[in-house]
Amino acid sequence: LAKTTQPISMDSYEGQEVNITCSHNNIATNDYITWYQQFPSQGPRFIIQGYKTKVTNEVASLFIPADRKSSTLSLPRVSLSDTAVYYCLVGDPGGYNNNDMRFGAGTRLTVKP
Amino acid sequence: GAVVSQHPSRVICKSGTSVKIECRSLDFQATTMFWYRQFPKQSLMLMATSNEGSKATYEQGVEKDKFLINHASLTLSTLTVTSAHPEDSSFYICSATGSGTDNLYGYTFGSGTRLTVV
Repeated sequence: LAKTTQPISMDSYEGQEVNITCSHNNIATNDYITWYQQFPSQGPRFIIQGYKTKVTNEVASLFIPADRKSSTLSLPRVSLSDTAVYYCLVGDPGGYNNNDMRFGAGTRLTVKP
Repeated sequence: GAVVSQHPSRVICKSGTSVKIECRSLDFQATTMFWYRQFPKQSLMLMATSNEGSKATYEQGVEKDKFLINHASLTLSTLTVTSAHPEDSSFYICSATGSGTDNLYGYTFGSGTRLTVV
């Protein structure tokens, strides 16, 4: 069974804020939530990681409610270059558990001019 | 930050031959590496998990005799596709983590290898 559920695809326009939500109802106490971005023919690239509440870095914000059963990746003012597939992974960073490294389907974001 | 180098970036081989893909951790010791395969428009599919000095653990449905994984050192893991056939054509990606990395930044991925079997 997939540990995470995301929308298959989303469309947006340049300059808009994009929010991608990931459901992870069975998240464990030691699990962190990590988001990756993947462009065609490239390996996934780390975007952001969090455990609870809100995390912000130079490229995105991650919102995690108190029950941690979902998370939302927020991309401010997207540009055409943000067109990519976005994956959320849930797992224990220190556990090296292969169960944590199985990808879901991801969300294909298309940014239009 | 942690860097994983994967080579070659693309390779074309004849059906029946073997191809080796290398995954190196450049600035940390990779105690655990993961190998993935990705078909066009699909997600990454985990093939196997390897720990340094141990035999790899393969996912269900992945032939261990066809996809040979060696993780003999803390900085190098290799995936050898033996007797490759056109259906093995895919994008192969490695991921690594281990001591010296900041695990709070997740696992580091290689840039991938595009294998085409003709």
